[in-house]
Amino acid sequence: QVQLVESGGGVVQPGRSLRLSCVASGFTFSGYSMHWVRQAPGKGLEWVAVISSNGGLQYYADSVKGRFTISRDNSKNTLYLQMNSLRAEDTAVYFCAREMSMVRGYLDYWGHGTLVTVSS
Amino acid sequence: DIVMTQTPLSLPVTPGEPASISCRSSQSLLDSDDGNTYLDWYLQKPGQSPQLLIYSLSYRASGVPDRFSGSGSGTEFTLKISRVEAEDVGVYYCMQRIAGWTFGQGTKVEIK
Repeated sequence: QVQLVESGGGVVQPGRSLRLSCVASGFTFSGYSMHWVRQAPGKGLEWVAVISSNGGLQYYADSVKGRFTISRDNSKNTLYLQMNSLRAEDTAVYFCAREMSMVRGYLDYWGHGTLVTVSS
Repeated sequence: DIVMTQTPLSLPVTPGEPASISCRSSQSLLDSDDGNTYLDWYLQKPGQSPQLLIYSLSYRASGVPDRFSGSGSGTEFTLKISRVEAEDVGVYYCMQRIAGWTFGQGTKVEIK
């Protein structure tokens, strides 16, 4: 069955960096675009970034553009989110999600999330 | 950017009774080229990650009970639950994907 397992969250000081990982299993990872979506404590969902199946295209929310980088290693079935210059407002649970294989597909599977806390 | 607005933000429900949630987009989610409406519904149950309920306006995801239905057109959309069950509690989100990806604020459904 499809599984997405995030890791790499933790407590980090403002201005520092953190890299999240999402290991995929149960499907052909290289055939799907992948997303990161976050949820601040007690708040709603916010889309963060997407990467195409071969890694050639990436798009970002304005709130993270220039600070976050989404990437993937299809040989390791792993999605990444490199987060630099972290701010308090980046504190959130970060979910990875699979995009159904179609043009502008829906997000059909989600991981359990990993918590990032930005605090001094 | 497309803004998604859900109403109500809180919805107390009675088991066995119907319920509905509205979602409005600031631009049409209908792609006139392919005829698809790029609007989905997700449910985040307490302590869980979001799960897909409805995609492309009205298609139920695999395993979703038929008491859930999606409808609407253009910029106005509705998620309906024909008979609410206790397991339906959680926060419901609409999401557009015709231009980027944007979620509504969420509607918290709880049992009265």
